[in-house]
Amino acid sequence: AQSVTQLDSHVSVSEGTPVLLRCNYSSSYSPSLFWYVQHPNKGLQLLLKYTSAATLVKGINGFEAEFKKSETSFHLTKPSAHMSDAAEYFCDEGSQGNLIFGKGTKLSVKP
Amino acid sequence: GAVVSQHPSRVICKSGTSVKIECRSLDFQATTMFWYRQFPKKSLMLMATSNEGSKATYEQGVEKDKFLINHASLTLSTLTVTSAHPEDSSFYICSARVPGDQPQHFGDGTRLSIL
Repeated sequence: AQSVTQLDSHVSVSEGTPVLLRCNYSSSYSPSLFWYVQHPNKGLQLLLKYTSAATLVKGINGFEAEFKKSETSFHLTKPSAHMSDAAEYFCDEGSQGNLIFGKGTKLSVKP
Repeated sequence: GAVVSQHPSRVICKSGTSVKIECRSLDFQATTMFWYRQFPKKSLMLMATSNEGSKATYEQGVEKDKFLINHASLTLSTLTVTSAHPEDSSFYICSARVPGDQPQHFGDGTRLSIL
């Protein structure tokens, strides 16, 4: 059975420092992995997706994620946090078309 | 690209009324749609999975008689909050996934305020 685990419910970083949001998946199939972002009082937006092409996926707003099969991970990173990155981030596994959604990680960015 | 349209974006109504929220997939067929609820400063909570042509699957703790879901066509799912009360005030979001290895597409959400 598939599952997704976001290891941190809350991550706090200083502006200009790197961001790491962790996501581990469990899937019997070749996974399709996605990261979404939700800014306060806004809908959700797709950041990036992995669907068995390149293992390093670049998304919008300078985010990227690396698929590591050996670690069953798809962590989201950004080299330098910006205040506007403060939001909630969700990891998703969609190879079977149903809903496997992480519980979300809230990212706070301190000035 | 695929778009999900959610309507209305904002509803304010009196306690005791029923409110219907629509979720439409505009350029793809969605056999499955998802309904979420989000309380202020809280994460998304999956309420139910809406299946075209069959009964919705509700998550534990979600009252099916309170939150009626109808998925009558491949492009439309509706959520009706029946006899709404102030505690039902929340942000409701729907999503749909294009069949295959595709991301979810989210509606812009409906902010429901019950007076």
